[in-house]
Amino acid sequence: TQLLEQSPQFLSIQEGENLTVYCNSSSVFSSLQWYRQEPGEGPVLLVTVVTGGEVKKLKRLTFQFGDARKDSSLHITAAQPGDTGLYLCAGVGTGFQKLVFGTGTRLLVSP
Amino acid sequence: GEEVAQTPKHLVRGEGQKAKLYCAPIKGHSYVFWYQQVLKNEFKFLISFQNENVFDETGMPKERFSAKCLPNSPCSLEIQATKLEDSAVYFCASSQSRQDYGYTFGSGTRLTVV
Repeated sequence: TQLLEQSPQFLSIQEGENLTVYCNSSSVFSSLQWYRQEPGEGPVLLVTVVTGGEVKKLKRLTFQFGDARKDSSLHITAAQPGDTGLYLCAGVGTGFQKLVFGTGTRLLVSP
Repeated sequence: GEEVAQTPKHLVRGEGQKAKLYCAPIKGHSYVFWYQQVLKNEFKFLISFQNENVFDETGMPKERFSAKCLPNSPCSLEIQATKLEDSAVYFCASSQSRQDYGYTFGSGTRLTVV
């Protein structure tokens, strides 16, 4: 069974602070996606990383895929209240199409 | 349209009743997925379709759950004889192809079994 563990589970910070969310597994994934989910809504795709060692930037968000394609991180610079939400990593296993979701990180950014 | 449309948004059923959920994927997307979200965070894969064909049904509790994606109709997920443990938010997602790793999720159907 493929599992994705995220840490931390909860994070409460002040506006302007930086943070990093980690997504770890003992399994190899062909690609890894990051989503943000807000209450009452479905997850919204932020980024997909495919190549081991790949780094992608989306404004203040930086995503990295581990060299061995087993782990990933999300770094947010100068967090804003609008970044508040549930962050989910999700991996696509080799040879399969379905997503394996991480355990989630709930982020609260206070003004 | 460019969104995955799920109906209804909320559904309440008495234990033992049938529940039917609908999903209209984005036009041109050939893959459809159903997930169950419980305890706010945990996502459980149920089933996926490639067009109208079942692609992967390894997550489906087959004795009570069934799903279809027929041409020119919304996809559906049906639960016969609902149980309290079926209470969850059910999400549908669609994607263009196996090479497109981006999924677009609907806003979900919250099923409450009382």
